[in-house]
Amino acid sequence: NAGVTQTPKFRILKIGQSMTLQCAQDMNHNYMYWYRQDPGMGLKLIYYSVGAGITDKGEVPNGYNVSRSTTEDFPLRLELAAPSQTSVYFCASSYSGGRSYNEQFFGPGTRLTVL
Amino acid sequence: DQQVKQNSPSLSVQEGRISILNCDYTNSMFDYFLWYKKYPAEGPTFLISISSIKDKNEDGRFTVFLNKSAKHLSLHIVPSQPGDSAVYFCAASGLNRDDKIIFGKGTRLHILP
Repeated sequence: NAGVTQTPKFRILKIGQSMTLQCAQDMNHNYMYWYRQDPGMGLKLIYYSVGAGITDKGEVPNGYNVSRSTTEDFPLRLELAAPSQTSVYFCASSYSGGRSYNEQFFGPGTRLTVL
Repeated sequence: DQQVKQNSPSLSVQEGRISILNCDYTNSMFDYFLWYKKYPAEGPTFLISISSIKDKNEDGRFTVFLNKSAKHLSLHIVPSQPGDSAVYFCAASGLNRDDKIIFGKGTRLHILP
């Protein structure tokens, strides 16, 4: 199993550009999440999904969009990049049932810089 | 407002000694607590968890203690090894399926030779 994979690893964007951060998991997890981590800070939840076709906002959703058309994929879209979106982005997934749903598996992250 | 607080940004411990990482929380509805470990350029990995019905959970060299009345938990690593040098995130959640995990800011642990 590859686990949770994210592409790209690094990206530099100009203000106003758009891009999609890709995330895929091969563990058949129903739950998927997008977090951002700013320097010296903890992880903040952007969006999450409890299954294909179902998404919901997290703590910091502004400036982002998501879709979940399959169980495996959960892309994150930035429409008009702003310097405040410079961060490291982590995708995660978890089982849907039992107490282990909270034990999330994380991808390696995408480091995004907006200039 | 931070619901999960890790007040020590960094900690240095001699190899072989005990490392103690602390975490405080403010939300009394939290029922499940987790520790994640993160190496540079990698995503966090789950380390150990504890539910509110317990006050201790042990897994090898790692033990988590929970004091619900003080809203405090700690992670003990004994003995500390060089590979333990990483950032440790404390996290908390309710027990309902849709409760989100709230992460602390992390503590960077340095194991000194």
